[in-house]
This record gives sequence, structure tokens and C-alpha cells, in this order.
Amino acid sequence: AQSVAQPEDQVNVAEGNPLTVKCTYSVSGNPYLFWYVQYPNRGLQFLLKYITGDNLVKGSYGFEAEFNKSQTSFHLKKPSALVSDSALYFCAVRDGAGGFKTIFGAGTRLFVKA
Amino acid sequence: GAVVSQHPSWVICKSGTSVKIECRSLDFQATTMFWYRQFPKQSLMLMATSNEGSKATYEQGVEKDKFLINHASLTLSTLTVTSAHPEDSSFYICSARDLTSQPNTGELFFGEGSRLTVL
Repeated sequence: AQSVAQPEDQVNVAEGNPLTVKCTYSVSGNPYLFWYVQYPNRGLQFLLKYITGDNLVKGSYGFEAEFNKSQTSFHLKKPSALVSDSALYFCAVRDGAGGFKTIFGAGTRLFVKA
Repeated sequence: GAVVSQHPSWVICKSGTSVKIECRSLDFQATTMFWYRQFPKQSLMLMATSNEGSKATYEQGVEKDKFLINHASLTLSTLTVTSAHPEDSSFYICSARDLTSQPNTGELFFGEGSRLTVL
């Protein structure tokens, strides 16, 4: 069975500082990993994904994530946070062995202070 | 990217009534749609997967008779919350994919969500 863990309910960072939002996963086959962002009362927007290839994936709005197979992690990062990055971030995993079922983590709320 | 539209965005209803939420793919044919429920400060819970022209596949613990899903066309899926009660109040989000043309490596396209409040 697939599962995703986001160990932090909330991350606080000052504007201009680097940010990291953590994610670990469990899947039986090859993992397809995704990050989505959600603003209040809105649907989810896709940020980036890892399917195969380079472990460092770059996505929208300056975000990037690093796939680490040995640690089964896929942490989201950004070198310099903006106040507008404040939102709810979800990590998600799909089993590459088949199917389209996507499992989401509990979400991490990011607060960026000016 | 592909656009998924959900309607209504907000709905308030009385206990015991039924509410229908629509999910439309605007610029692609969605062979598969997923319905999620999001509780306050919690993650998205997959409720069911619907494939066009066939019955929806419900996740364990989701009442089929309570949450009726109809995927009658390649661009429209509906979720009907029957005999709604206050505990059904939640944020419901749909997502869609065209599995005939998009590989399963692709991301999901989400609607904007529908907030249901049952009084």
C-alpha cells in the first residue's frame, strides 16, 4: 500500500530565507512523486513531479525537490521564500507499477513572515 | 494546463436535502475523475474513482448510497450528497485525467473545490 508522511504540520520561515517542506513516502513499486499547493478555499495546483531521471526536480514558482531513494524522501525546497508562498503544501505518491490512484500527505502549512 | 471546473463553489443546504456538485473538464476529455473530501486542517481523502460509462469505485468506508457519483459523459462527473447531514459538511474537490492520451506519470488536474455546509 502507498503512504505519504509530512512530519511537520506547519513551517515558519522569514521572507528571503530558504525553506524546506519535508516528505517521506512508502510504495511497493517505483514511486511517482508530486507536490501540490493549495490556497484558501481553492483546489490544488501542481508544482512539480519526479518520475525518473535526475533526482533534483525543478518546478513552478522557483520551487524544487530532491528525490532520495535511500531515505525514501522527496523534500520541497526554495532558496528564497516569498510572503506569497504562504499556503498549504501537499506531497503525493502514486505507485508506478500501475493504476492512477494518488495518495496525499496530511499537508504542511507554510507561513512566510515579511 | 488542462482546466477542470467545479460548480457550485459554495452551497448551504438544510439537513435532509440532497446536493449535487458538478465537475467538468473544459478542454479535454476526462476518462477518469476522482472525488476527494477535505476536512479542516486535514489532507485530501480519496472518496471514489469514476470512469466514464461505468460504475464508480468507492474507497473503503465511503457510503455508496450516501455519495452518488455519475460519470455520464467524457466531460462531466457529478457527486450527489443524498440526505445531507451536518457531518457531511466539508470541502469536496474533484480531479480529472484523460487516461487514453495521458500516461499515468502525469499530474492530476483539480477543480477549485466546493464547500458544502449543511445546517
